[in-house]
Amino acid sequence: EAQVTQNPRYLITVTGKKLTVTCSQNMNHEYMSWYRQDPGLGLRQIYYSMNVEVTDKGDVPEGYKVSRKEKRNFPLILESPSPNQTSLYFCASSPPGQSTEAFFGQGTRLTVV
Amino acid sequence: DQQVKQNSPSLSVQEGRISILNCDYTNSMFDYFLWYKKYPAEGPTFLISISSIKDKNEDGRFTVFLNKSAKHLSLHIVPSQPGDSAVYFCAASRNSGYALNFGKGTSLLVTP
Repeated sequence: EAQVTQNPRYLITVTGKKLTVTCSQNMNHEYMSWYRQDPGLGLRQIYYSMNVEVTDKGDVPEGYKVSRKEKRNFPLILESPSPNQTSLYFCASSPPGQSTEAFFGQGTRLTVV
Repeated sequence: DQQVKQNSPSLSVQEGRISILNCDYTNSMFDYFLWYKKYPAEGPTFLISISSIKDKNEDGRFTVFLNKSAKHLSLHIVPSQPGDSAVYFCAASRNSGYALNFGKGTSLLVTP
């Protein structure tokens, strides 16, 4: 089954404790991205990757890092989480070619206390 | 600055009637538009899309209309069903890349 898998689904952590949210897709998609969803703000792109070893900032990259060492995985790293990073995070992947719809993971609810 | 705007945070419609969700955009470089549907505790799922070379695209109960001169698109759901109750996100992209610019979403409630 074609899917984008995020882990964990839920995470509560403390300020400053490094964490990684994993994302994996089994569709051989080149393009992957991370979004955060906040009330009243919709979905905002954090980082994206056009292919292996190619990453770039989205609209709200501050406080986040990503890596793309292999095509299927695109982890989101919070080196020093802060309470304003409490949010719902979505990973997405897209097949090659313009104007194609993205496939989203089920989301990771992160709370930073 | 929000380039894709959904000015109605919520909409309530009776079952069987038409739901109309609206979306405006500011960037004239956008040439592909999509609607996503999101249920609680799930990721957004693709619903329907339209290219800027068209003004209408239909898929079953869902129709998207695009008015380029007004930079406006709308999603029509006819007839609306209780299972359509979800948050609907409008998104737009440019020819040059895959990045999707999302609106803030409209929460649709279809009542029996």
